[in-house]
Amino acid sequence: ETGVTQTPRHLVMGMTNKKSLKCEQHLGHNAMYWYKQSAKKPLELMFVYSLEERVENNSVPSRFSPECPNSSHLFLHLHTLQPEDSALYLCASSQTTGSYGYTFGSGTRLTVV
Amino acid sequence: GENVEQHPSTLSVQEGDSAVIKCTYSDSASNYFPWYKQELGKRPQLIIDIRSNVGEKKDQRIAVTLNKTAKHFSLHITETQPEDSAVYFCARSPGGATNKLIFGTGTLLAVQP
Repeated sequence: ETGVTQTPRHLVMGMTNKKSLKCEQHLGHNAMYWYKQSAKKPLELMFVYSLEERVENNSVPSRFSPECPNSSHLFLHLHTLQPEDSALYLCASSQTTGSYGYTFGSGTRLTVV
Repeated sequence: GENVEQHPSTLSVQEGDSAVIKCTYSDSASNYFPWYKQELGKRPQLIIDIRSNVGEKKDQRIAVTLNKTAKHFSLHITETQPEDSAVYFCARSPGGATNKLIFGTGTLLAVQP
């Protein structure tokens, strides 16, 4: 296990559903990130949390709502999604100060039907 | 702009040959440049990184070079093996208060046995 765990691994949801993605890290990192990975596109940064405070929101639609209750856990709440939101959602963690590489989770493969 | 240009998008080499992937950026404040390898269905994993005060870094068969003046950095893989087949992503950190990474579009490397 990498130290960053994401659940569920796969999720199929209808456009009217509400679901949540969960990310958990036990690396002692104090920054966590949500990225969206779609085919033929770069990884798109969605949200950045540093010390449980959201420090960046990259023009993400409000149908995606992040939550960081503590430095080890990060959630992405989903509601009223569109089919184009289908993608691999990756969580990552790192130290917050200085520049360091991320440790990624295995991702949640989301399909919106 | 903020993006990182990555080329080529696909690369096929014979086992034992070398592979080179290049990324360019425009933000001169960028100070950290990691490379990630993502095998099919798996999470991205950090394989090597370089900071802006260094021109080259090597780790066994993998090396990264950075030209700050020209604003480009490259990944070099020597003596390629079939297990090197994966998608490779470059990234840059713009520095500042958050440790966010901005990724390139990825290079699909296929090593033919």
